[in-house]
Amino acid sequence: GENVEQHPSTLSVQEGDSAVIKCTYSDSASNYFPWYKQELGKRPQLIIDIRSNVGEKKDQRIAVTLNKTAKHFSLHITETQPEDSAVYFCAASKSRDDKIIFGKGTRLHILP
Amino acid sequence: DAGITQSPRYKITETGRQVTLMCHQTWSHSYMFWYRQDLGHGLRLIYYSAAADITDKGEVPDGYVVSRSKTENFPLTLESATRSQTSVYFCASTLTGGGLDYGYTFGSGTRLTVV
Repeated sequence: GENVEQHPSTLSVQEGDSAVIKCTYSDSASNYFPWYKQELGKRPQLIIDIRSNVGEKKDQRIAVTLNKTAKHFSLHITETQPEDSAVYFCAASKSRDDKIIFGKGTRLHILP
Repeated sequence: DAGITQSPRYKITETGRQVTLMCHQTWSHSYMFWYRQDLGHGLRLIYYSAAADITDKGEVPDGYVVSRSKTENFPLTLESATRSQTSVYFCASTLTGGGLDYGYTFGSGTRLTVV
């Protein structure tokens, strides 16, 4: 089955700097890659996603990139702000009828 | 998202007791999921359901039972609670299993402590 590896497990960046979280997946049939953000004590929420026919997608300060050949995808957050402090999960799925597999999460700390 | 609700929010139970966590969604989503979240393990899938009366095991099903007699409800039962089942439990739902349409929507979670 699919396996999603996520690195790093913890990341600290200075406010205003950029943060990058990387994920790899094992199943070449996976074609949908969402990212979820979970603030302390809250539920995970979808923040951005990318499909296999797209190499990059941006939404304001966040962007995701996908390299299907290497089977890895990344989340980029620019101009980080205190409210970006959270746990971020990457995930992958193969089809509409297949469940999402999550990575173990990255705890992002934004330092003042 | 008021469309998916979990109850209770907090629960303390004793080892060996049966406890049921409830999940209710109002969107008529086909797929529903139960995850547990523990430090260092991320979100681990316990059970999921593709439709009423269809359930399947996830990564960590041992010690748990689910049922789905109605599309909108997906209760999770711990038949004989153990301390290792102390965790935060999240229910989620989605229109399609892969979440390609709207992603997964999670409930607020149930923090379960087994003493």
